[in-house]
Amino acid sequence: QKEVEQNSGPLSVPEGAIASLNCTYSDRGSQSFFWYRQYSGKSPELIMSIYSNGDKEDGRFTAQLNKASQYVSLLIRDSQPSDSATYLCAVNKGGGADGLTFGKGTHLIIQP
Amino acid sequence: GAVVSQHPSWVICKSGTSVKIECRSLDFQATTMFWYRQFPKQSLMLMATSNEGSKATYEQGVEKDKFLINHASLTLSTLTVTSAHPEDSSFYICSARGLTREQYFGPGTRLTVT
Repeated sequence: QKEVEQNSGPLSVPEGAIASLNCTYSDRGSQSFFWYRQYSGKSPELIMSIYSNGDKEDGRFTAQLNKASQYVSLLIRDSQPSDSATYLCAVNKGGGADGLTFGKGTHLIIQP
Repeated sequence: GAVVSQHPSWVICKSGTSVKIECRSLDFQATTMFWYRQFPKQSLMLMATSNEGSKATYEQGVEKDKFLINHASLTLSTLTVTSAHPEDSSFYICSARGLTREQYFGPGTRLTVT
């Protein structure tokens, strides 16, 4: 069964510091990788997408992908209390399927 | 851009009745729409994928006769939960994808079956 693994946390980070979130996936056929943020009781909100090896930066967020190691990460710089949420790593199902397999999420707490 | 709406946002129904949930892409044409389900303290699980004008593709273990999906246009997909039972109570979330690979999620529908 194709899996996406994340540390469930909670991960506690002081305000202004860098938060580092990690994810591994099992399906070598996956080509699309996403990070979503989910607040309690709400639906996921797309934060970053990444499709090729290396880094992708967007504002305070940097996504990193290493397909050889089957590893995806998200860095949040200058963490704010409003960043406190559950961060979901999602990977497309391989073989041309577009549906996403989600990890269980990492609960991030930014301490003021 | 990339706004997806869902209706209703929450619904309570009696066991044995059917419930229809609508998912609309408001500012883009969705070539593909997806339906996910999330139980408390669990992550999202893909239920089915639908393309406009085609039959939906269901994930293993999802009953196609129980969860009816219709994708009538490039902006509308519906999920009907037929003969709902308490174990169907969950948070149902749709997502839509246009010409890019990103999926944008609707706000979700919380279904409670009594």
